[in-house]
Amino acid sequence: EAQVTQNPRYLITVTGKKLTVTCSQNMNHEYMSWYRQDPGLGLRQIYYSMNVEVTDKGDVPEGYKVSRKEKRNFPLILESPSPNQTSLYFCASSPPSAVWTGELFFGEGSRLTVL
Amino acid sequence: KQEVTQIPAALSVPEGENLVLNCSFTDSAIYNLQWFRQDPGKGLTSLLLIQSSQREQTSGRLNASLDKSSGRSTLYIAASQPGDSATYLCAVVMEYGNKLVFGAGTILRVKS
Repeated sequence: EAQVTQNPRYLITVTGKKLTVTCSQNMNHEYMSWYRQDPGLGLRQIYYSMNVEVTDKGDVPEGYKVSRKEKRNFPLILESPSPNQTSLYFCASSPPSAVWTGELFFGEGSRLTVL
Repeated sequence: KQEVTQIPAALSVPEGENLVLNCSFTDSAIYNLQWFRQDPGKGLTSLLLIQSSQREQTSGRLNASLDKSSGRSTLYIAASQPGDSATYLCAVVMEYGNKLVFGAGTILRVKS
């Protein structure tokens, strides 16, 4: 089954404790992206990757890092989480042609709470 | 900078009612517009995608329209059912971009 898998789905952590949210897709997609969703603001793009070893900032990259060492994986790293990073995070992937059509496959989301 | 606004923020209707969700965007240089459904604890599911050259798309009881020049789209849901209860998100892809710009969503509740 084609899917985008995020882990963990739920996490409560404390300020400053480094964490990684993993994202893996089994569709051999080149394009992957991370979004965060906050009440009243919709989804905002954090980082995206057009292919292996190619990453770029989205609209809200501050406080986040990403890496793309393999095509299937696109982890989101919070080096020193702060309470303002409490949010619902979504990973998405698509083949390169679908980038322009917006046909993204989304993971089920990771709800992060930073105390 | 593109801004996408959805009205209303929340809507509660009795089962069987026809309803309209609204989406507006500030920059008309879009490549397409997409409506998504979001269920609690689930990812986003694409409902309808309208290319910038199209006026509308239909899928079952759903009909989405696009007026690119005025920066508006509507999602029409006919004969609403409790199973339609979810958050509906509107998003645009810019002509120059490689990302979706989302609205904040409309939370829909259909009462039985």
